[in-house]
Amino acid sequence: GAVVSQHPSWVICKSGTSVKIECRSLDFQATTMFWYRQFPKQSLMLMATSNEGSKATYEQGVEKDKFLINHASLTLSTLTVTSAHPEDSSFYICSASVTGQSEKLFFGSGTQLSVL
Amino acid sequence: DAKTTQPNSMESNEEEPVHLPCNHSTISGTDYIHWYRQLPSQGPEYVIHGLTSNVNNRMASLAIAEDRKSSTLILHRATLRDAAVYYCILSQSGTYKYIFGTGTRLKVLA
Repeated sequence: GAVVSQHPSWVICKSGTSVKIECRSLDFQATTMFWYRQFPKQSLMLMATSNEGSKATYEQGVEKDKFLINHASLTLSTLTVTSAHPEDSSFYICSASVTGQSEKLFFGSGTQLSVL
Repeated sequence: DAKTTQPNSMESNEEEPVHLPCNHSTISGTDYIHWYRQLPSQGPEYVIHGLTSNVNNRMASLAIAEDRKSSTLILHRATLRDAAVYYCILSQSGTYKYIFGTGTRLKVLA
């Protein structure tokens, strides 16, 4: 199946710094990618839809200036958590759809962000 | 977006079949039914999906009710490696926009 690579797997940062998370489609082109966050013992919450070459679409309640999404190529989308605070600590997961593999999403392995 | 309802947790004995139910009474005609599972600290893994007919693959079977308001994921012989949170998700055809519910935490007993 298609592989979605997410990097880094985990990151620890100080409060007030920015953190960038990368999501790559390794063997296919991903026109659309999705970003989720997941708190411990909770389900995944969709944050935004990332479209190559255009602005991301954010879900209600997600601050677009806080969570910057860039999808500059067909194989890479990035999520930058700006001025991170402890409450931003979470598990962030990306996913991508594959043309021809109808309706399936492929997920990255996730990034655990811990803000001190 | 149509929602799904699943039991919070289920238990199964190893080597026995497991039937994981999902209710989706507000499903629309173009909504696909997906099942994914998630191990701790990992991204969700695809299990199976379908639209109207029952589906089988090497991992599991998906039984869809005739009125499509419910479905059941069937693991034919549970193993310890099947212990995970299983999510039943609906998505409108072509949108790929998945809204995750709370999922079912499956515990497999040796």
